[in-house]
Amino acid sequence: AQKVTQAQTEISVVEKEDVTLDCVYETRDTTYYLFWYKQPPSGELVFLIRRNSFDEQNEISGRYSWNFQKSTSSFNFTITASQVVDSAVYFCALSENNNAGNMLTFGGGTRLMVKP
Amino acid sequence: ETGVTQTPRHLVMGMTNKKSLKCEQHLGHNAMYWYKQSAKKPLELMFVYNFKEQTENNSVPSRFSPECPNSSHLFLHLHTLQPEDSALYLCASSQLLGNTEAFFGQGTRLTVV
Repeated sequence: AQKVTQAQTEISVVEKEDVTLDCVYETRDTTYYLFWYKQPPSGELVFLIRRNSFDEQNEISGRYSWNFQKSTSSFNFTITASQVVDSAVYFCALSENNNAGNMLTFGGGTRLMVKP
Repeated sequence: ETGVTQTPRHLVMGMTNKKSLKCEQHLGHNAMYWYKQSAKKPLELMFVYNFKEQTENNSVPSRFSPECPNSSHLFLHLHTLQPEDSALYLCASSQLLGNTEAFFGQGTRLTVV
């Protein structure tokens, strides 16, 4: 069975601070996919990144960066110089390798509040 | 605009009502999904459709009845719901492969009274 754990339910920072959102996963699959989504107050889930299990290269996209550590089953997300617009709930998710669709197992989410 | 549109955005219904949620995707995907997001549980997958065929039913009660007439449209028919069914219902679509991202609609906020 797959499981995703986001231990931080809520984080509050002041604008311009760096913040890291933790994600730990469990799976028996050797090939799997990890995702991060952002859910603003409007409700939709906005895709941020996908990482394949065989690609441990970290990625940076503007103020966002992701640290994938297969040895510790973690896929952490860092926002550098946070802004008020970053306030949202962030979800980490996992899907297995199959041709039956992208069936996501989500973590419980981390609510990030960035204060001016 | 994510390419996945859900209507209505908000719905209040009594326990004896019958209503339907609608989802439409304009992304050319061939898989569609219903997820439920309630206050006390993580997002959970309800149903999966591939090329209009249901391939996954995640032990969802029969008072939720999905319908997928074509690869672009997905419905969730609701009848005799319970107050604990109040939640945000999210529709998503993707290509079939597990390594492609799913795109989500804005959801329908359902309140059962």
